Amino acid sequence: KNQVEQSPQSLIILEGKNCTLQCNYTVSPFSNLRWYKQDTGRGPVSLTIMTFSENTKSNGRYTATLDADTKQSSLHITASQLSDSASYICVVSVISGAGSYQLTFGKGTKLSVIP
Amino acid sequence: DTAVSQTPKYLVTQMGNDKSIKCEQNLGHDTMYWYKQDSKKFLKIMFSYNNKELIINETVPNRFSPKSPDKAHLNLHINSLELGDSAVYFCASSQSRREAGREKLFFGSGTQLSVL
Repeated sequence: KNQVEQSPQSLIILEGKNCTLQCNYTVSPFSNLRWYKQDTGRGPVSLTIMTFSENTKSNGRYTATLDADTKQSSLHITASQLSDSASYICVVSVISGAGSYQLTFGKGTKLSVIP
Repeated sequence: DTAVSQTPKYLVTQMGNDKSIKCEQNLGHDTMYWYKQDSKKFLKIMFSYNNKELIINETVPNRFSPKSPDKAHLNLHINSLELGDSAVYFCASSQSRREAGREKLFFGSGTQLSVL
């Protein structure tokens, strides 16, 4: 069982609608949580990075939330556009030693925005 | 100009061959990485490297070896390719920060390797 679980696995929404993607994690000790957007055939692009002290962080129409107590994060996309069609990957950074860390990637949620 | 570029984009080869994937970053970063994204879409770290240290994921077979001619390049050599090596390989880079673990990763577009 992966230590970073994302839901839903895939999602189809109409252009202009809002949506929320979920991420639950079990890895520890927690350092930070990241959301990446990966377009088809491209590498992931960073959207947000949040530490345990940050509850929310926005990047344009993307707003990420973090509840470090329940180990849950969400990514909310407002007024979706066709260009939002991509996989959204939740990544948790775990402290793995003095001054070192390890990234654990979720499988991603594949979002399709249709006209 | 692409910040992290890797070539080739697609690589099709026979089992048993030796191949290389090249990666270059023009961001001035001090750390580079290789990741593997398998058919289940999970991204897994293979190597991280800066001018001080090479960190190898212990699960990576020694048929895989990174070669860094300079700070801006980290190439991936693969010997005796196997069917299970088929995947998308991503190069990435970051700049070390005082708060370790908060480095922002910049990824290349990936190399899709198909071993026949």
